[in-house]
Amino acid sequence: KNQVEQSPQSLIILEGKNCTLQCNYTVRPFSNLRWYKQDTGRGPVSLTIMTFSENTKSNGRYTATLDADTKQSSLHITASHPRDSAVYICAATTGNQFYFGTGTSLTVIP
Amino acid sequence: GAVVSQHPSRVICKSGTSVKIECRSLDFQATTMFWYRQFPKKSLMLMATSNEGSKATYEQGVEKDKFLINHASLTLSTLTVTSAHPEDSSFYICSARTGLVTEAFFGQGTRLTVV
Repeated sequence: KNQVEQSPQSLIILEGKNCTLQCNYTVRPFSNLRWYKQDTGRGPVSLTIMTFSENTKSNGRYTATLDADTKQSSLHITASHPRDSAVYICAATTGNQFYFGTGTSLTVIP
Repeated sequence: GAVVSQHPSRVICKSGTSVKIECRSLDFQATTMFWYRQFPKKSLMLMATSNEGSKATYEQGVEKDKFLINHASLTLSTLTVTSAHPEDSSFYICSARTGLVTEAFFGQGTRLTVV
């Protein structure tokens, strides 16, 4: 069964701290792994996209890693800011089909 | 990046009425559009996939007569929730994709509340 699991469910950190969100997936045939940021009441916005041959990809203070062997990905956020407060969703695709995780709710306290 | 506009962002309707949600791709032609439903603290649940000019493909368990999807042009898809009930209250999100790339761009979402 194709599925994506994320941890932790929620996370609260102080402004300026770093954090790492985890994503495990079992999707076949695997095409790419995506991380999205979803602000409250808004649609998801793409942060990074990685194929199986890519180990890491950065987008500003966001750095995603991918281990296609263990089917794990992480999203590292450095120097967090209150505007980073959102739900972060991991999605693994087969090319045509997207499989979404339930997300990690991040709260950054000023 | 590409822009997908979804309207309205919020709507409140009475039980038994129908509500139409629009999804527009503003700067590209969307050959395929996806409609998702999202419950609080839950993942996006794919409801249906629509290709321009053809009937939508609904996921198992989604009532096609209740959730009418029309994709009449390459820039517009609509989702109509017919005879809405309070249990239809949810966050609905559309996503659009061209045939050339595998990226999917999401709309802003629509918060539907049925009272």
